[in-house]
Amino acid sequence: DIVMTQSPDSLAVSLGERATINCKSSQSVLYSSDNKNYLAWYQQRPGQPPKLLIYWASTRESGVPDRFSGSGSGTDFTLTISGLQAEDVALYYCQQYYTKGTFGQGTKVEIK
Amino acid sequence: EVQLAESGGGLVQPGGSLRLSCAASGFIFSAYSMNWVRKAPGKGLEWISYINGGSSVIYYADSVRGRFTTSRDNAKNSLYLQMNSLRDEDTAVYYCAMGPVSGSAGYFDSWGQGTLVTVSS
Repeated sequence: DIVMTQSPDSLAVSLGERATINCKSSQSVLYSSDNKNYLAWYQQRPGQPPKLLIYWASTRESGVPDRFSGSGSGTDFTLTISGLQAEDVALYYCQQYYTKGTFGQGTKVEIK
Repeated sequence: EVQLAESGGGLVQPGGSLRLSCAASGFIFSAYSMNWVRKAPGKGLEWISYINGGSSVIYYADSVRGRFTTSRDNAKNSLYLQMNSLRDEDTAVYYCAMGPVSGSAGYFDSWGQGTLVTVSS
């Protein structure tokens, strides 16, 4: 099975500053037949279900603020929050869906 | 509007069984694959099972294979998770989730609110 590893486990960022979360897969999630990276990002606030932010590694879900962006290919991916807002305090997860659907261990984002 | 609503959670002793349900509405249920995902206290999200629209393909995570069984009733727009031989580590909020990608778990753009399963003596 593909193992997803996120870094860091937690980070504290000042309001308005950039937050960067990394995600590494144990094998490539780039599918050669369609040249798509089978990688998604989610946000989960306490007591709520996860919310899809990004899919195909860089496509923003409808309604998600444009301060959230995804990048990367193959085995290395990044979620960037440009200009952290108070409502962005949450857990963030990457997920590969190349085979089955494993998640990273999560990254906790807090305000510094 | 897609709506997913889990039910059936509760307190169960180790070794016991529980059946979760997920009622779906707002879309053609039989046309979509469905998944179960859980979040244990203090731990991250864990994908645990996938079932395609016709129930011909079912996948499980290693942690639940042989103990959990996923099924669906398209006539009732419902997804099920039969959980047997429950362990302490199965304590979690269980979510049903779905998305537009077929053939594998896919990404999940719709989630239920979750149902809490507590395994404890």
